[in-house]
Amino acid sequence: SQQGEEDPQALSIQEGENATMNCSYKTSINNLQWYRQNSGRGLVHLILIRSNEREKHSGRLRVTLDTSKKSSSLLITASRAADTASYFCATVGGGGYNKLIFGAGTRLAVHP
Amino acid sequence: DVKVTQSSRYLVKRTGEKVFLECVQDMDHENMFWYRQDPGLGLRLIYFSYDVKMKEKGDIPEGYSVSREKKERFSLILESASTNQTSMYLCASYPGQRVDGYTFGSGTRLTVV
Repeated sequence: SQQGEEDPQALSIQEGENATMNCSYKTSINNLQWYRQNSGRGLVHLILIRSNEREKHSGRLRVTLDTSKKSSSLLITASRAADTASYFCATVGGGGYNKLIFGAGTRLAVHP
Repeated sequence: DVKVTQSSRYLVKRTGEKVFLECVQDMDHENMFWYRQDPGLGLRLIYFSYDVKMKEKGDIPEGYSVSREKKERFSLILESASTNQTSMYLCASYPGQRVDGYTFGSGTRLTVV
């Protein structure tokens, strides 16, 4: 079963603009992760935020986590055409085994 | 650089065939996972393994089995391929600690005709 949903399903912006993607999940989590997938390829890990953290930064990425609302957001600042990809949030629950449960993803298109 | 290698990038099989998808990692990771990816559904977990010869069902194990005889290799088996198993299959590994995220292979796009 999917853990949650990403919003929007698709996003189209111009280079230099910021892109914000949202993720909601259903059950309690140990941590939440964001991944990127270029067309037809494997996923690449971007950033992890733990359940006791509220915000995390990595380069042009900013992730927030609101456990009371069971939601997270990924902000990409000053986007580039090379950021065009699908972005997935995934959660790890507290039951062990480090299983990642993914959402359906957001397709981001950044136009030059 | 760490690597997860999936043996085939594209695969076409006939209905009813037994299909083996192979995944090898060179990082000495304990945990390995098989997902399938379909448009609009994201990634769904089929099976995972947390140790040699250990396996656990994921969310959609029906029609699949797995084998992990050696730590570095995790095989996904379609016992009798059906057209609804046409999908992108992604393998991933994870050490269980000290590392933030999974490492994924490039995927195998399987078409069952």
